[in-house]
Amino acid sequence: DVQLVQSGAEVKKPGESLRISCEASGHIYSNYWINWVRQLPGKGLEWMGRINPGNSYTDYNPSFEGHVIFATDTSINGAYLQWSSLKASDTAVYYCASQSFGSWGQGTLVTVSS
Amino acid sequence: EIVLTQSPGTLSLSPGDRATLSCRASQTVDSSFLAWFQQKPGQPPRMLIYGATGKVTGIPDRFRGSGSGTDFTLTITRLEPEDSAVYYCQQFRSSPPEYTFGQGTKVEIK
Repeated sequence: DVQLVQSGAEVKKPGESLRISCEASGHIYSNYWINWVRQLPGKGLEWMGRINPGNSYTDYNPSFEGHVIFATDTSINGAYLQWSSLKASDTAVYYCASQSFGSWGQGTLVTVSS
Repeated sequence: EIVLTQSPGTLSLSPGDRATLSCRASQTVDSSFLAWFQQKPGQPPRMLIYGATGKVTGIPDRFRGSGSGTDFTLTITRLEPEDSAVYYCQQFRSSPPEYTFGQGTKVEIK
């Protein structure tokens, strides 16, 4: 099984940039995907998209494309979720999940407030 | 985009009761790519069912998935207090690649 560990909670101001990470360990295959999922406060789950760390291929949910960037880091067998200009509406918990969603990170709370 | 609509929004039941959760898709879903998740407060979701009917290792036998086409069901027999959670269905379509989740059903144990 894959284990996923995410970076810690962040507090940012609108307009700031941010990168959060998801490090994978365990049984990692050469061709696998890491998914990103957003959960707004008190709301449900939204699939943001996915990245393949082996080749950097990405699939974005159209609702998120252009506002976030997925990146990889082969040194951690993991991935990053990046914003260049945060908005208050980005306040949420962000999860990474394995290719089949069988494993999830613990979640990263991102708070954007002036 | 395939929209998944879950019903009811909330189920309030007693220990030992049976819970029936519905997930209806706006288009036909490949059953191989229909999953159910359980999420408790402050925790990440946990997969219960994959491929509409397959049970993840370690999930109690009281959880059962069924359905095909556009109608899928998660049944929890003999509810226990620890089953109190929000349950989500999820589908995957490969072209273009797209995962969608239902809005969730909250199960409350009285």
